[in-house]
Amino acid sequence: KAGVTQTPRYLIKTRGQQVTLSCSPISGHRSVSWYQQTPGQGLQFLFEYFSETQRNKGNFPGRFSGRQFSNSRSEMNVSTLELGDSALYLCASSLVFPPSGGDTEAFFGQGTRLTVV
Amino acid sequence: LAKTTQPISMDSYEGQEVNITCSHNNIATNDYITWYQQFPSQGPRFIIQGYKTKVTNEVASLFIPADRKSSTLSLPRVSLSDTAVYYCLVGGAGTASKLTFGTGTRLQVTL
Repeated sequence: KAGVTQTPRYLIKTRGQQVTLSCSPISGHRSVSWYQQTPGQGLQFLFEYFSETQRNKGNFPGRFSGRQFSNSRSEMNVSTLELGDSALYLCASSLVFPPSGGDTEAFFGQGTRLTVV
Repeated sequence: LAKTTQPISMDSYEGQEVNITCSHNNIATNDYITWYQQFPSQGPRFIIQGYKTKVTNEVASLFIPADRKSSTLSLPRVSLSDTAVYYCLVGGAGTASKLTFGTGTRLQVTL
């Protein structure tokens, strides 16, 4: 089956602009999570959506927001871009209620490389 | 979530077995141990997950001692393509959707 698809792969924006990134999860996965990866801070959790509702949120300013649609596709938005927002943004999908119990794996997309100039 | 500690980097020659140890002293009773692999400019990829003793799949083995305060990822006969960053994570059921990554171990494989 198809993996997690993120679009666009690369993006260049200027400071002050806003940007919207898209993520299509694996078919059947209803949980979508977003992560930011930078050389200085590593991989950091942004937020998670399940059934169109934000369930968990990381420690990021309100300029970072997201939403999930009824087909589980998700978008994240960053407003008033700053140079420090330059990063690889990763989306992951997972099963919320694993049939075997315990934890399950998260499937990551290729990411969107955002450069703010 | 339990904090993990792993070496920042490791070097290996192609064909050798590589063992990466992760320390997680505060692991909770319900926590699982999961390892991810990440290549540059790609998303992390699940390698293996375990709760106790030993787990083996087609790419790696995971050894977990009885006290579960550490775990060792074993990669048999590494190749150049195994050069990547390896992350050790611990978390309970339902945490696959909000993973906490540490600094990871950068493995460099050379000829």
